[in-house]
Amino acid sequence: KAGVTQTPRYLIKTRGQQVTLSCSPISGHRSVSWYQQTPGQGLQFLFEYFSETQRNKGNFPGRFSGRQFSNSRSEMNVSTLELGDSALYLCASSLEGTGGYTFGSGTRLTVV
Amino acid sequence: GENVEQHPSTLSVQEGDSAVIKCTYSDSASNYFPWYKQELGKRPQLIIDIRSNVGEKKDQRIAVTLNKTAKHFSLHITETQPEDSAVYFCAAMNTGNQFYFGTGTSLTVIP
Repeated sequence: KAGVTQTPRYLIKTRGQQVTLSCSPISGHRSVSWYQQTPGQGLQFLFEYFSETQRNKGNFPGRFSGRQFSNSRSEMNVSTLELGDSALYLCASSLEGTGGYTFGSGTRLTVV
Repeated sequence: GENVEQHPSTLSVQEGDSAVIKCTYSDSASNYFPWYKQELGKRPQLIIDIRSNVGEKKDQRIAVTLNKTAKHFSLHITETQPEDSAVYFCAAMNTGNQFYFGTGTSLTVIP
């Protein structure tokens, strides 16, 4: 079966712009979580969606938001981009959100 | 919130030797502990996981042990091979289904 698909793979944006990233989970998985990966901070949890509801949220500013659709696909939005938002953004899906998360290949965002 | 510490940050072993990576966590309510392997430029891949009601789990050359009392868990890789070279991340999930990752261990297996 298809894995977790993230689009686009690469993005270059300028400061102040906004960006939307997409994540299609494994078929049947209802939980989608998002992570920011940087060399200095490692993997940091952004938020988790389950059945179209945000169930958990990490310690990121309100510029980071997300949503999940009825087909479990999820989008993450970052507004007013800052240079420090440059990172690899990973999403992961799980059947019920209780473990067994599978990661996508990520979207590499560069803010210039 | 949860705090996960991972050691060492880098580890080099000779091919065929064993490698051990240790993680500690702070939230005694955490109940799920996965380990991920991330090769350069690739996605993290789940290699083994353990739940809080189990003390040890093994899958071929890989094993994970959990000490709930001391709040630490370890990844053991035996008979290491060059293809085991990667960054390994531990994580702890709390009862709110939030994941907290360790800072990663870069493992190099020297042929």
